[in-house]
Amino acid sequence: DTAVSQTPKYLVTQMGNDKSIKCEQNLGHDTMYWYKQDSKKFLKIMFSYNNKELIINETVPNRFSPKSPDKAHLNLHINSLELGDSAVYFCASSHPQTGETRGTGELFFGEGSRLTVL
Amino acid sequence: KQEVTQIPAALSVPEGENLVLNCSFTDSAIYNLQWFRQDPGKGLTSLLLIQSSQREQTSGRLNASLDKSSGRSTLYIAASQPGDSATYLCARFNFGNEKLTFGTGTRLTIIP
Repeated sequence: DTAVSQTPKYLVTQMGNDKSIKCEQNLGHDTMYWYKQDSKKFLKIMFSYNNKELIINETVPNRFSPKSPDKAHLNLHINSLELGDSAVYFCASSHPQTGETRGTGELFFGEGSRLTVL
Repeated sequence: KQEVTQIPAALSVPEGENLVLNCSFTDSAIYNLQWFRQDPGKGLTSLLLIQSSQREQTSGRLNASLDKSSGRSTLYIAASQPGDSATYLCARFNFGNEKLTFGTGTRLTIIP
C-alpha cells in the first residue's frame, strides 16, 4: 500500500518539450513538497504546498509550475525542458508539527522520477 | 554556504563493527532533525525523527541523538551488516520557513 507515489518513474524526452510528473499521497497529510536531486546527489527543495496553497517557491525558473488539485495531489509541470533539468525529482508529504492538524512533522518521500533531457 | 554538513562523505567499515555518522548545522532556529537512507537509484526511507523537544530516538540497531547547543546530530549504527550499505542523509526542518534542508550525505559501505 504505497504512501507517496509518483509517476512516471522514468522520463526521457527531447529539449524544448513540455512534460508533467504526478504525485499522490494516501497518508492524509496536509503538506506536500517537490525536491530536486542533482547529479551530485544533493537534494534541494523546489516547492511546498499546504492544503492546496503554495507555501514555498524556492527560486525555481517559472518554466516549472506546480499544481495541487486537492491536498492529496501535487503535480509538477515543466515547460521548454532544458538539458540542466535532467535530475531525479522527489515528491514528499508531511503532517506539520504545528497548526490545527498536528502531527510529528516527519516527511515521507516517493520513489523519485528520473528525468533525462536529451 | 552549506547549512547542513555531513562528515565523512564516505565510510567503509567491516561487518559487525559499530559506527557513527555525523551531521552539523549552522543555524540555531527551532527545528526537527530527520535521518534518511537512500539506496542507489531509490527513494528516501525515513529512519528516525527527533522532534524539537527531544534529544534522541532509537529504532532497532539505530540510535540518533541531537545536541542543539553544539548544532550536531549523530547516527549510531550497532553491529553493522552488509544490508546497511547505503547513503545516509540528515535533514533539518526549520519551523520558521518550513523547509527541510538536507546535508550532503555519507556513503556507507559495510564490507562482508
